[in-house]
Amino acid sequence: DADVTQTPRNRITKTGKRIMLECSQTKGHDRMYWYRQDPGLGLRLIYYSFDVKDINKGEISDGYSVSRQAQAKFSLSLESAIPNQTALYFCATSDSGTGGLETQYFGPGTRLLVL
Amino acid sequence: AQSVTQLGSHVSVSEGALVLLRCNYSSSVPPYLFWYVQYPNQGLQLLLKYTSAATLVKGINGFEAEFKKSETSFHLTKPSAHMSDAAEYFCAVSDRTNAGKSTFGDGTTLTVKP
Repeated sequence: DADVTQTPRNRITKTGKRIMLECSQTKGHDRMYWYRQDPGLGLRLIYYSFDVKDINKGEISDGYSVSRQAQAKFSLSLESAIPNQTALYFCATSDSGTGGLETQYFGPGTRLLVL
Repeated sequence: AQSVTQLGSHVSVSEGALVLLRCNYSSSVPPYLFWYVQYPNQGLQLLLKYTSAATLVKGINGFEAEFKKSETSFHLTKPSAHMSDAAEYFCAVSDRTNAGKSTFGDGTTLTVKP
């Protein structure tokens, strides 16, 4: 079984709809991240959480919100989806304690299309 | 502040040829550097990382990278390309002040021709 899972893997929605992307991990890591990937732009950090009570905005948090329901679960919500949120979304985890040397472990991604 | 620049969004090599993917970084403190690979329809996975223990870092699948402080570079190489190396490659930088947050480059797509 995969260590980091994302659901759904693909989603088509309409402008204005609220949607939630979910991420679960079995690695026991305390840190979790949400990124979006757009062609030619690499990965951009949306939100990150260093533990259940610690949630921080990344570089492109506008239009998104997150919830860390448990150490193993971190969900991303689009309150009112818009077409420029069409992208590939990745969840990642890492283990704390190495002061920046943490390897990040990525889920398989969720491909979102907003019409 | 930290940043990464990957030179060349697309690189094409013949099977058996040298692979060279370029990465330059900017960091106000000593950096930690990573290369990740993304195969089609998959998430990213770590190829190798620079931990300051040695400037030449060996990773999986025959890849290696050399940290050159004077050139602020961390280029990825492989002596002989395989068809299976075709993927997108991302360079990333983090440091102690950003504790776990990595900044990723825009990616380089490697194509391997038969």
